[in-house]
Amino acid sequence: DTEVTQTPKHLVMGMTNKKSLKCEQHMGHRAMYWYKQKAKKPPELMFVYSYEKLSINESVPSRFSPECPNSSLLNLHLHALQPEDSALYLCASSQQRAGTGGSGELFFGEGSRLTVL
Amino acid sequence: KNQVEQSPQSLIILEGKNCTLQCNYTVSPFSNLRWYKQDTGRGPVSLTIMTFSENTKSNGRYTATLDADTKQSSLHITASQLSDSASYICVVPRLNGQNFVFGPGTRLSVLP
Repeated sequence: DTEVTQTPKHLVMGMTNKKSLKCEQHMGHRAMYWYKQKAKKPPELMFVYSYEKLSINESVPSRFSPECPNSSLLNLHLHALQPEDSALYLCASSQQRAGTGGSGELFFGEGSRLTVL
Repeated sequence: KNQVEQSPQSLIILEGKNCTLQCNYTVSPFSNLRWYKQDTGRGPVSLTIMTFSENTKSNGRYTATLDADTKQSSLHITASQLSDSASYICVVPRLNGQNFVFGPGTRLSVLP
């Protein structure tokens, strides 16, 4: 079983709704990530948090708002999304962010399948 | 440019047969390369890591190779099973960046 837990597993929302995706890990990892994955494509990086601070924002639209309340939790707040935002949203963690040591292994959650109507 | 390429894009084999997936990278500097398996609709799971000094590593029916000179890695699957049907993604961390470079993946279908 994965040690990164994501909720909800499935989410259907309208374009005017506000919802949140949640991610939790208890491995003591200091880097956490949000990825977006469309069908038959590799994951695309959205955000990276390192030591609870946002270190990378890959020019993600402001309708996606990340939050890292503490070292174990990562949220992704969603507001006014578009149908093309429908995708599998993956949370991942690593011991440290790439380039600063550690094994460099990403541990992924099972993902949250988002459908925007 | 830091890139990871994979081939073939997709592969269909019969149960029990062997197959080899390829990964070429241009990420520099290089420290390691991981192969992940992703079942449809689920998160990727690490299969094996190849560090700069390793040439071959086995994990059950999976054998990975690395040639750091040519910047190529392969993943060989022996005696395939239906449960091997998945996408296999090659990932290299950027040492002078903060993220990981993903290959496009190879979609493997094992048929009975």
